[in-house]
Amino acid sequence: SYVLTQPPSVSVAPGQTARMSCGGSNIGGKNVHWYQQKPGQAPVLVMFHDSDRPSGIPERFSGSNFGNTATLTISRVEAGDEADYYCQVWHTDTDHVVFGGGTKLTVL
Amino acid sequence: QLQLQESGPGLVKPSETLSLTCTVSGGSISSNSYYWGWIRQPPGKGLEWIGSMFHTGNTYYNSSLKSRVTISVNTSKNQFSLKLSSVTAADTAVYYCARLYSSAWLFDYWGQGTLVTVSS
Repeated sequence: SYVLTQPPSVSVAPGQTARMSCGGSNIGGKNVHWYQQKPGQAPVLVMFHDSDRPSGIPERFSGSNFGNTATLTISRVEAGDEADYYCQVWHTDTDHVVFGGGTKLTVL
Repeated sequence: QLQLQESGPGLVKPSETLSLTCTVSGGSISSNSYYWGWIRQPPGKGLEWIGSMFHTGNTYYNSSLKSRVTISVNTSKNQFSLKLSSVTAADTAVYYCARLYSSAWLFDYWGQGTLVTVSS
């Protein structure tokens, strides 16, 4: 089975840059999507196809995907960005949706 | 605006079958661009994909749950359903229904989620 590995937590001060990684074998060859989940709420898509933002998502959010690591970057972090972030791919070999374990972003 | 709403019992006894329904409004479940699926999240843990179904019946299931899961679609009611058999406490989770955009294999709309507790 295909595994996506995310660090459990990332902490950053307001105004700084948060980088959250998502590791997987040759993940650079897949389309990676990212979801933000705030407590008690359903996940919300914040990045798709590695680096495309859905409408309504601030330009502060950006993404990249090379080799074995995809990264979601949030610039000028705000208190409202504090949430859990999940990466997700479609694994064609098994026709499975795969989620990473999630990263909790804490804004200090 | 598309909306999805889960419904079903919030408490299920061990060894019984969990049954949930997702009602879709603001769009047709028979669209050829989308699958319809279920994701769950145990308390304090991450997201786990359960499975997804096309309106014609083509279905993908998580292999770890496949032997216990059935997803079905009712196009006349614009609903789809989840059945998970032989449940245990490990199946206690918030269950989400969501739309899977098949051109990109991403979930673009989610229901609010419903907590199902497995307990006697």
